[in-house]
Amino acid sequence: DAKTTQPNSMESNEEEPVHLPCNHSTISGTDYIHWYRQLPSQGPEYVIHGLTSNVNNRMASLAIAEDRKSSTLILHRATLRDAAVYYCILRTSSHSSASKIIFGSGTRLSIRP
Amino acid sequence: DAGVIQSPRHEVTEMGQEVTLRCKPISGHNSLFWYRQTMMRGLELLIYFNNNVPIDDSGMPEDRFSAKMPNASFSTLKIQPSEPRDSAVYFCASTTSGTFYEQYFGPGTRLTVT
Repeated sequence: DAKTTQPNSMESNEEEPVHLPCNHSTISGTDYIHWYRQLPSQGPEYVIHGLTSNVNNRMASLAIAEDRKSSTLILHRATLRDAAVYYCILRTSSHSSASKIIFGSGTRLSIRP
Repeated sequence: DAGVIQSPRHEVTEMGQEVTLRCKPISGHNSLFWYRQTMMRGLELLIYFNNNVPIDDSGMPEDRFSAKMPNASFSTLKIQPSEPRDSAVYFCASTTSGTFYEQYFGPGTRLTVT
């Protein structure tokens, strides 16, 4: 499985944008970029995913570099509830069955009030 | 939608005892995953099923661990005999197969083996 590299921790101020980087230099053409987050004492939850184009949803935006070797998760206006560990994961697509995802160590995001 | 249901939420047992963790996936989902999370090793995938069939159990630590999925709405993870190093939070997740999916995680079972 291709590997991702993320900073161990980041801090941001409430109501400001947050940019969480992820490097995946060994990504293959069929790998999707997924982001999950884990709030304290909860299971992980899906945030967003993409393949080549930038993506937006109600939770966040995903900016993917043109060479796909890196990506950035953007929280447009951080709240205290966004404090969590954010995981950047690569997953090979499969038309016939669900494939596994491998969680790395993630980035622990702290939000200052 | 009730989400993924796991039971029990907390389990404390003595070394050597058998432990059974249970999971009910979201209705309609045909893939189920068991994970273990510890401070030292983070989130580890133990095993996953597609259409009730185990696909990849390479993450199962050893023969003391076994998992079954007798039908689409129920799965168990059993540890026999349990050891203190098995103490962790065990998560179950479910999804639908295909080119894109998101995994929905349960609240986890916190296992403590003394």
